[in-house]
Amino acid sequence: NAGVTQTPKFRILKIGQSMTLQCAQDMNHNYMYWYRQDPGMGLKLIYYSVGAGITDKGEVPNGYNVSRSTTEDFPLRLELAAPSQTSVYFCASSLRGGDDTEAFFGQGTRLTVV
Amino acid sequence: LAKTTQPISMDSYEGQEVNITCSHNNIATNDYITWYQQFPSQGPRFIIQGYKTKVTNEVASLFIPADRKSSTLSLPRVSLSDTAVYYCLVGSTVAGGYNKLIFGAGTRLAVHP
Repeated sequence: NAGVTQTPKFRILKIGQSMTLQCAQDMNHNYMYWYRQDPGMGLKLIYYSVGAGITDKGEVPNGYNVSRSTTEDFPLRLELAAPSQTSVYFCASSLRGGDDTEAFFGQGTRLTVV
Repeated sequence: LAKTTQPISMDSYEGQEVNITCSHNNIATNDYITWYQQFPSQGPRFIIQGYKTKVTNEVASLFIPADRKSSTLSLPRVSLSDTAVYYCLVGSTVAGGYNKLIFGAGTRLAVHP
């Protein structure tokens, strides 16, 4: 049982480049989330999805895009990478919404923009 | 969305009990209280969740007073491996029933030999 899988684990981008961070879960969870975590800081929600075809903005969505065509996958797209997007990105999933549920996190993608 | 306040950092020693308190004065009637633990270079993981009174599992205990305006995560006899950041989350449900799962800054616990 893999849980939440993120790829790649590390990536270096040049300013202006684009990339897609992949996230897949095999728990048939409806909810999926993308967070970023800057050094020494807490997690900030970028985007989330409540099911295939439904996404919504979180706290810091600027510079990112998402799509959710299947229950399993929730890719995060960075367009025109900037140094401010240097961070660790975490994907998470939960079976349902509501605050009485448990979220499962991936191991993260460490992104550096130079 | 209930705002939470918890200490930025705490220090302890091996074998001691650690209590981390989270304030959530505007908690709503239907809100649950959830704690996550994050080790360096890893994603957070769920520790414990409760609605009222006391909840205990193999990792921790969660104490919630009757007014539910605060909660205390208790870690018994900590070891060096309990060094981590601990997040308190309260009531992530927003209009429409969507759970945004918003994290605060957390409490950075350092356990010393």
